[in-house]
Amino acid sequence: NAGVTQTPKFRVLKTGQSMTLLCAQDMNHEYMYWYRQDPGMGLRLIHYSVGEGTTAKGEVPDGYNVSRLKKQNFLLGLESAAPSQTSVYFCASSYITGTGGTEAFFGQGTRLTVV
Amino acid sequence: AQSVTQLDSQVPVFEEAPVELRCNYSSSVSVYLFWYVQYPNQGLQLLLKYLSGSTLVKGINGFEAEFNKSQTSFHLRKPSVHISDTAEYFCAVGSGTYKYIFGTGTRLKVLA
Repeated sequence: NAGVTQTPKFRVLKTGQSMTLLCAQDMNHEYMYWYRQDPGMGLRLIHYSVGEGTTAKGEVPDGYNVSRLKKQNFLLGLESAAPSQTSVYFCASSYITGTGGTEAFFGQGTRLTVV
Repeated sequence: AQSVTQLDSQVPVFEEAPVELRCNYSSSVSVYLFWYVQYPNQGLQLLLKYLSGSTLVKGINGFEAEFNKSQTSFHLRKPSVHISDTAEYFCAVGSGTYKYIFGTGTRLKVLA
């Protein structure tokens, strides 16, 4: 089972460069999320999506854009990378059952360094 | 707004000793509660979850947690830890707003 797959796993960018992180899930989940993980700060929500074609801002959206053109994919874009965006990025997905909430399923992460 | 507090950033414990990792949350609505484990250079893996029903939930690897609504806590426990339990543990809260809010994590270090 693939689950949630993130591409790439590692990347080094120069300040000002742009890049897109791809997240793909094969579980037919409605909801998808992008988090960043920094030492001592846990996981902070960047953007999320509650369905195809919809996105919303999380706690730390500045400097990032997202798109959800297909239900299975959630893209995170950095238009002009800054050293402060050096982090580990995690994508997650979840679904709603008839009784309410469920857990989030995570990808393996993308380690991004901006120099 | 929801929030999660993990007061202990690091917890050292000897092998075969019991351990408790603390988690407190705040929310004005009904919540779902989760504990995740992260091994070095890996993603987050679900340990256990509380969605409804029994307040004592059992998870993988011998862990359990108790939901205490009056104290707004969801502490994680294991009666006897192993070296392989060394990892970072995250408490998270979810709700009908579809978002998951995470604590800052607790590094569990199991000593031989």
